[in-house]
Order: sequence, then C-alpha cells, then structure tokens
Amino acid sequence: KAGVTQTPRYLIKTRGQQVTLSCSPISGHRSVSWYQQTPGQGLQFLFEYFSETQRNKGNFPGRFSGRQFSNSRSEMNVSTLELGDSALYLCASSFGQGWDEQYFGPGTRLTVT
Amino acid sequence: DQQVKQNSPSLSVQEGRISILNCDYTNSMFDYFLWYKKYPAEGPTFLISISSIKDKNEDGRFTVFLNKSAKHLSLHIVPSQPGDSAVYFCAARQDTGNQFYFGTGTSLTVIP
Repeated sequence: KAGVTQTPRYLIKTRGQQVTLSCSPISGHRSVSWYQQTPGQGLQFLFEYFSETQRNKGNFPGRFSGRQFSNSRSEMNVSTLELGDSALYLCASSFGQGWDEQYFGPGTRLTVT
Repeated sequence: DQQVKQNSPSLSVQEGRISILNCDYTNSMFDYFLWYKKYPAEGPTFLISISSIKDKNEDGRFTVFLNKSAKHLSLHIVPSQPGDSAVYFCAARQDTGNQFYFGTGTSLTVIP
C-alpha cells in the first residue's frame, strides 16, 4: 500500500507570494491533517479535514487555508507569505476522524526569501 | 502556549544502555498520548501509545510510562541500538476527534 505523498518536496518562494501544497493520503484514509514544523516549536497543528469538511483548526492566521477533495486528497494554501512561514509542512492521514494513529508524509520544505 | 513540552533537545546514549526520553504536559484533560520517531527527510512514524487509564504500555524494546499526577510521560528504550538514533516527539490529545498537541522533539543519538 502506497504511503502518504506530498508535492512538491521543496519549494522556494518570495515574501508576499502565495503557495499551494498538495497531499495524497493512503488509499482508504478519509482524514487528513496538516502540521507546521519549525525548529524549537515542534509540530504545530494547522487543520484537519474529514470527508471534505474542516473538523479541527489550530491557532494560525487566516492566511493559512485548506481544502479536501472527494477523493480525500488535500491541499493547503498560504497567501501573502512571510519569512516566518519558512518551515517543513507535514501532512498526515488516518482511516477516520478521531483515529489515533496517523501516517505522515515526508513533508514539503518551504523556504520564503 | 506549549501544552506539551520536551525539555531535553538532545540525548546521547551508549549502544546497549537504556534511553529515557521525557515529556511533560500541562492539560490535565489529555487522555491519550503517543510517541513518534522521525528520521531526517522522512515524516514521523508512530511508535507507541498509552491511554490515561493505564500507567504503562510495552512494545518490544519500547515502554511508555504515564504519571498522571505529575503530568509526565516517558519513553524507555532498552537496549538502545544505533538505528534508534532519530528525533522523538511525544503528542497528546483530549477526547477522541480532537487535535493532537506535539512536543518540540528530542534528538536521540545512540553511540556504537
């Protein structure tokens, strides 16, 4: 069974631009969560989608948004990029909402210059 | 506000000895805890979990201990192997369906 895939793996953007990251969950998984990982901050929860609906949201500004498609694939978008958005963005999938074991993708390394 | 804390950014242990990784939390309502392991350039992988109704859970070389009164959990790895060298994250959540809160990670190096 293929794992969680994230594209692109690396991305360099300029301040003020916007970016879209993609996540394909494990086949059959319907829940997708997004996390931001920065040095010293660990993994910060962004949001979770289940059956195309946002179920949980972390404490991030409205510049961070996401969506989930009917095939469970998910995208997250960051608008008006800031230098502080430079981070590793991780996507995790699980079978259903509330299932405790999440499977993580390798992440997208975003650098904002 | 960091609700889950890992106060040791790094730990070095000799091969064959015990590794003890610690995690503290502030929310007494957390009822489920997990440990993840992360290698460079890979996403975290699930290692072991424990619910608040237990105080210990074992899986092979890995044991997690939970002290609810102290709001503290620890991961013991015995014996430690060089392949265990990775960053370890603890995570906690309150109630099924809610988000997980992660610690900042501890980088474990097992010296051959």
